[in-house]
Amino acid sequence: NAGVTQTPKFQVLKTGQSMTLQCAQDMNHNSMYWYRQDPGMGLRLIYYSASEGTTDKGEVPNGYNVSRLNKREFSLRLESAAPSQTSVYFCASSEFGGANKNIQYFGAGTRLSVL
Amino acid sequence: QKEVEQDPGPLSVPEGAIVSLNCTYSNSAFQYFMWYRQYSRKGPELLMYTYSSGNKEDGRFTAQVDKSSKYISLFIRDSQPSDSATYLCAMSDGNNRLAFGKGNQVVVIP
Repeated sequence: NAGVTQTPKFQVLKTGQSMTLQCAQDMNHNSMYWYRQDPGMGLRLIYYSASEGTTDKGEVPNGYNVSRLNKREFSLRLESAAPSQTSVYFCASSEFGGANKNIQYFGAGTRLSVL
Repeated sequence: QKEVEQDPGPLSVPEGAIVSLNCTYSNSAFQYFMWYRQYSRKGPELLMYTYSSGNKEDGRFTAQVDKSSKYISLFIRDSQPSDSATYLCAMSDGNNRLAFGKGNQVVVIP
């Protein structure tokens, strides 16, 4: 049982390049999330998908797009990377309902540097 | 005012000491409270989960919630070097989104 798997683990981009961060979960969760974590800023929500077929903006969506490919997979795309997007990106998932719906399970993260 | 306030530390303690961490919050609708532990260069992992006010104990860890004061705490008894990590508080009003504190770095010195 892998939980939440993110690829790649590390990436270096040049300003203006594009890339897609991949996330997959095997816990049959309905909800999935993308966060970025920066020193002194904590975890900030970029986008989330409450259920398959829906996506919503979080706190810091500018410069990003997402795709909920199916129930398992939720990708984050940077169309034209900027140095301000240098960060550690975490994907998370949670149940949509039930007693544990507020517990989010995180992947190991993707460390992205934009030069 | 941020929804969740957490002193970032770092907090250094000798092995065996009690570690005390806390968060304050402003949204009275929060009902679900969590503590996550994050080791260096890893993702956050759930440590404790409580609903509404009260205490919850799990081994060396105790989580307390005081909704009247909008204050939550995490205590680590008999701290070990393996407890050295960043601890993040998180809370929710039940809408599947979490509000996080910025994290508190803890160093347990052998």
